[in-house]
Amino acid sequence: GIQVEQSPPDLILQEGANSTLRCNFSDSVNNLQWFHQNPWGQLINLFYIPSGTKQNGRLSATTVATERYSLLYISSSQTTDSGVYFCASPEGGGNKLTFGTGTQLKVEL
Amino acid sequence: NAGVTQTPKFQVLKTGQSMTLQCAQDMNHEYMSWYRQDPGMGLRLIHYSVGAGITDQGEVPNGYNVSRSTTEDFPLRLLSAAPSQTSVYFCASSRGPGGYEQYFGPGTRLTVT
Repeated sequence: GIQVEQSPPDLILQEGANSTLRCNFSDSVNNLQWFHQNPWGQLINLFYIPSGTKQNGRLSATTVATERYSLLYISSSQTTDSGVYFCASPEGGGNKLTFGTGTQLKVEL
Repeated sequence: NAGVTQTPKFQVLKTGQSMTLQCAQDMNHEYMSWYRQDPGMGLRLIHYSVGAGITDQGEVPNGYNVSRSTTEDFPLRLLSAAPSQTSVYFCASSRGPGGYEQYFGPGTRLTVT
């Protein structure tokens, strides 16, 4: 099956700093999604981004499907950005969504 | 809309016991799925359903059963719990399979002793 690698595995930022999270896939990328799991465990869909760039407030994401990677940018980080960020893609564009192992982000004051 | 709801939030079982994790959604989504989350493993797909009466296996289906009698409900059954099934379980729904935005429930934390 498809392999999904995320980097870095852990990240600590000072409030106000910017960061880039990366997601690499072993196979072609289809219908990639980014999720945020907050410290209370809730999973929120951030972006559905099969290709190109999307922005939502301080967050933006870029997917380069031909090169099998996606990037999540967090600007002016806040403590509420803390949690785990996952990328995921369905295998072959079908029913089985495969998740990466996540990037654990902690934003400190 | 309540979105995706799961019950219970927490559960402790002894090895060999059975139980059902409940999942319901009120968004009229055709596609529903169950994942388990283990430390360092991310989320792994257990079973999924593309509509009432239709289910299929995911990446880690052994030890779990599902059924989908209505669009709204997608229960997950553990027939004989094992310590290896200690995990956090998430239910998700979407308008379609992987190409659509997935909505997750709050999760059920299960411990098997």
